[in-house]
Amino acid sequence: KAGVTQTPRYLIKTRGQQVTLSCSPISGHRSVSWYQQTPGQGLQFLFEYFSETQRNKGNFPGRFSGRQFSNSRSEMNVSTLELGDSALYLCASSLGQGMIQYFGAGTRLSVL
Amino acid sequence: GESVGLHLPTLSVQEGDNSIINCAYSNSASDYFIWYKQESGKGPQFIIDIRSNMDKRQGQRVTVLLNKTVKHLSLQIAATQPGDSAVYFCAEDLRGGGGSNYKLTFGKGTLLTVNP
Repeated sequence: KAGVTQTPRYLIKTRGQQVTLSCSPISGHRSVSWYQQTPGQGLQFLFEYFSETQRNKGNFPGRFSGRQFSNSRSEMNVSTLELGDSALYLCASSLGQGMIQYFGAGTRLSVL
Repeated sequence: GESVGLHLPTLSVQEGDNSIINCAYSNSASDYFIWYKQESGKGPQFIIDIRSNMDKRQGQRVTVLLNKTVKHLSLQIAATQPGDSAVYFCAEDLRGGGGSNYKLTFGKGTLLTVNP
């Protein structure tokens, strides 16, 4: 069974631009969560989607948004990029809420 | 507050020794804990989990211990191998009193280095 797939793996953007990251969960998984990983702050929860509905959101500004499609695939968007948004963005999927989350390899975003 | 922290940022062991990685959590309402391993260039990989109604759980070469009295979690790796070298994270599942408030709160991580 294929794991969680995130695209693209690497991305370079400039300040002020926007970016969209994609996540394909493990087949059959309906819950998708997004995390930001930085050396200083570690892994921080962004949001979680289940059956196309955002169920929970972390403490990030409104520039960070996401959505989930009917096939459980998810995207996250960051608008008006700032230098501090440079990070590894990780997506995790699970069969349902509160169940084991399996992570993808992440998208490395660099904001110049 | 809600936080999960690690006592040791780095741990260096000899191949074949047992490793113990510690983690403290602050939310006494947390009822699910997970250990992840992250190798360079990869996403976190699930190792083992434990629910709050248990105090010990064993997997293949790994054991997780949960002490709810002092809010402490540990991961024991038996016969540590070079392939175990990675950053290890503990994570706490904050369920917000049974609602839909599911999210993982991660500790900062411990870098385990296994010397051959």
